[in-house]
Amino acid sequence: AQSVAQPEDQVNVAEGNPLTVKCTYSVSGNPYLFWYVQYPNRGLQFLLKYITGDNLVKGSYGFEAEFNKSQTSFHLKKPSALVSDSALYFCAVRSRGFKTIFGAGTRLFVKA
Amino acid sequence: KAGVTQTPRYLIKTRGQQVTLSCSPISGHRSVSWYQQTPGQGLQFLFEYFSETQRNKGNFPGRFSGRQFSNSRSEMNVSTLELGDSALYLCASRGSPGPEAFFGQGTRLTVV
Repeated sequence: AQSVAQPEDQVNVAEGNPLTVKCTYSVSGNPYLFWYVQYPNRGLQFLLKYITGDNLVKGSYGFEAEFNKSQTSFHLKKPSALVSDSALYFCAVRSRGFKTIFGAGTRLFVKA
Repeated sequence: KAGVTQTPRYLIKTRGQQVTLSCSPISGHRSVSWYQQTPGQGLQFLFEYFSETQRNKGNFPGRFSGRQFSNSRSEMNVSTLELGDSALYLCASRGSPGPEAFFGQGTRLTVV
């Protein structure tokens, strides 16, 4: 069975510092990997995806993610955090069988 | 290009009633998925439709059903509502070529 794990419920970082939100997955084959962000009372917004190719993918709002096949990880990163980055972040994996599974979410809090 | 539109945004129903939620995907998108989001369970996959056919289903009871019309609009129905059905219901659409999903703002259902 496929699964996605986000080991941290919350990540706290000071504005201007780099941030990392962790994600590991378990799925057979070569999945698609995604990061989404959710602001209060809103739907999810797509940030970035990994399909194939370069292990470092860049997305919206200065975010990037690093795919590591051997560690089955897809960590979200940003070199310099902003207060406005504070939100709920979801990692997701989509198998070739069309089902997308989301992690439990990690709340990012950026302090000014 | 208009985004994914979900109606209504908010809904209050009484236990035992039924409810129908609507989702209009991005123009040209033929795939529509539904998710239930609750604080305790996170994002749970309900079902996915493509060209009017359900091609994947999550682990929800038969009270939860859906359908997709020829114009790709989708509806989700929940019968015999229970208090535990209170949640944010999210709809997402996909189009070619990307596998990423684009979410609506959701329908907040409260069962009293």
